[in-house]
Amino acid sequence: LAKTTQPISMDSYEGQEVNITCSHNNIATNDYITWYQQFPSQGPRFIIQGYKTKVTNEVASLFIPADRKSSTLSLPRVSLSDTAVYYCLVGGDYKLSFGAGTTVTVRA
Amino acid sequence: NAGVTQTPKFQVLKTGQSMTLQCAQDMNHEYMSWYRQDPGMGLRLIHYSVGAGITDQGEVPNGYNVSRSTTEDFPLRLLSAAPSQTSVYFCASSPRQGSSGANVLTFGAGSRLTVL
Repeated sequence: LAKTTQPISMDSYEGQEVNITCSHNNIATNDYITWYQQFPSQGPRFIIQGYKTKVTNEVASLFIPADRKSSTLSLPRVSLSDTAVYYCLVGGDYKLSFGAGTTVTVRA
Repeated sequence: NAGVTQTPKFQVLKTGQSMTLQCAQDMNHEYMSWYRQDPGMGLRLIHYSVGAGITDQGEVPNGYNVSRSTTEDFPLRLLSAAPSQTSVYFCASSPRQGSSGANVLTFGAGSRLTVL
């Protein structure tokens, strides 16, 4: 399972764009990159998934460079409700584990 | 479509007691797993199953047992609870896992367990 490294925390203000970068230097050829969001007292929920280049949905964008050794989750125009922990998950193995994630705090 | 349902939501046990955390999914998912989350930490994999009758250990399996007799259910058993097992437990499922890499998990709401 590819090990991932993310910043522990990030602060932002309402209306700003938040970019969280995840490093995964030993990503395997078949591995996808998946991001989850977790609010307090809730289970994580899927945000976005990609394999290469750029993926965009109604919530976020995911940028993956050609070497795939990192990825960046972009949250456009965040609001207070985007305060949460964000996890980067890489791998296609059965043993899927999450790191500590990035705590994003959005302030008014 | 209920998704992943966990029961109970809260439980208090005394050291040495046993209990079972229930997990059920109605999405016909092959893969199911149990995680524990401790304060300030990420989710650590306890056990997982790739189908009925097949289970395997994750990162932190000690003190926990699982079985998978049906596709829908994946209970987690604590045979002799210890204070170190105080945690929030999450069950998750996905259509499949493996070499394809497209691992999108659906999580339950969690079960908060306190062992005194």
